[in-house]
Amino acid sequence: AQTVTQSQPEMSVQEAETVTLSCTYDTSESDYYLFWYKQPPSRQMILVIRQEAYKQQNATENRFSVNFQKAAKSFSLKISDSQLGDAAMYFCAYTLIIQGAQKLVFGQGTRLTINP
Amino acid sequence: DTGVSQDPRHKITKRGQNVTFRCDPISEHNRLYWYRQTLGQGPEFLTYFQNEAQLEKSRLLSDRFSAERPKGSFSTLEIQRTEQGDSAMYLCASSLALAAQETQYFGPGTRLLVL
Repeated sequence: AQTVTQSQPEMSVQEAETVTLSCTYDTSESDYYLFWYKQPPSRQMILVIRQEAYKQQNATENRFSVNFQKAAKSFSLKISDSQLGDAAMYFCAYTLIIQGAQKLVFGQGTRLTINP
Repeated sequence: DTGVSQDPRHKITKRGQNVTFRCDPISEHNRLYWYRQTLGQGPEFLTYFQNEAQLEKSRLLSDRFSAERPKGSFSTLEIQRTEQGDSAMYLCASSLALAAQETQYFGPGTRLLVL
């Protein structure tokens, strides 16, 4: 079974500092997508960044970047220059492709606190 | 475009009652997904529609659960004879099927509490 593991239930970082959230996954597939989603308190989940498994280059989106290690099945998220608005639950997710659709498999989440 | 909307946002019901949730996807999105999220966990896939066709159902979706998407627009998720274990956040997401850049946009969820 495909699984996603986030080993850090909680993380905290000082405002303006850098933090890295860990994620590992298990799959027998060779082609898949990986995502990081952010879920602020009482607000809806939004996509932070995505990575296609066939791409060797790590994805970046402004202050957010990933370290994708396909052989190790590792997909960490780095947040640079942390801001108070970054405080949220962060979920790592992997897609299974079923009949063309993307069935997301999520990890348990990491709660990120930003200290002012 | 106002994003994915869900109604109601909160629902409290007594065990054994039936409840129905509604999801309105982003207009023109042809794919619609339902997920369930229990406290402290990540969302779990329940079911998926391509237009009006329900193409995949998780084993989590017992016979008490039914979902529809008439005319390929909004979707409803009904739970019959609710149990306390059904208490969770029910999330809906929609997407537009493209070659490579499909992104699921999530609604705010319906939080269900079964007493």
